[in-house]
Amino acid sequence: NAGVTQTPKFQVLKTGQSMTLQCAQDMNHEYMSWYRQDPGMGLRLIHYSVGAGITDQGEVPNGYNVSRSTTEDFPLRLLSAAPSQTSVYFCASSDGRSSGNTIYFGEGSWLTVV
Amino acid sequence: SQQGEEDPQALSIQEGENATMNCSYKTSINNLQWYRQNSGRGLVHLILIRSNEREKHSGRLRVTLDTSKKSSSLLITASRAADTASYFCAPSNQAGTALIFGKGTTLSVSS
Repeated sequence: NAGVTQTPKFQVLKTGQSMTLQCAQDMNHEYMSWYRQDPGMGLRLIHYSVGAGITDQGEVPNGYNVSRSTTEDFPLRLLSAAPSQTSVYFCASSDGRSSGNTIYFGEGSWLTVV
Repeated sequence: SQQGEEDPQALSIQEGENATMNCSYKTSINNLQWYRQNSGRGLVHLILIRSNEREKHSGRLRVTLDTSKKSSSLLITASRAADTASYFCAPSNQAGTALIFGKGTTLSVSS
């Protein structure tokens, strides 16, 4: 199993550009989520999904869109990138059917908005 | 789910010493997990302790949970340079929901 795969690993965007961070998992997990991590801020939850067709906002959803058309994929879209969105983004998934929902993380996507 | 708060924010020790980091939370939980993050990498699950457990061991890791004080501690015994990382706790009171992470404890182990 590949686990949680994120692409791209590095990306530089100009202010106002749009892009999609891809996330795929091959563990048949119901739950997927996106976090951003900034220096000194820990991880902050952007959006999450409890299953295909269902998404919800986390702590810092503004400026980001998500969709969950399949169990495997959970892309994160930046419609109009801003310098404040410069960050490291982590996608994660978990099997919600178990009471101890261990989260599996991708390796991160480093995004710089200039 | 709720956010845990790790303490201290940073910890520096010598190889061979024990490292203890703490986590506090606000409301009742079903379980609490600890994760490690090496620099530039994603978080990796270390250990889970359920609300009806008081202590759990995994190799050099020992986790305790005191639900009356709403706190947990992670002890790493005989630390190694490879233990240098950030450590996060994640309390959960609902199965299968997204976990909220705090700022973590940054552990530096020098040889």
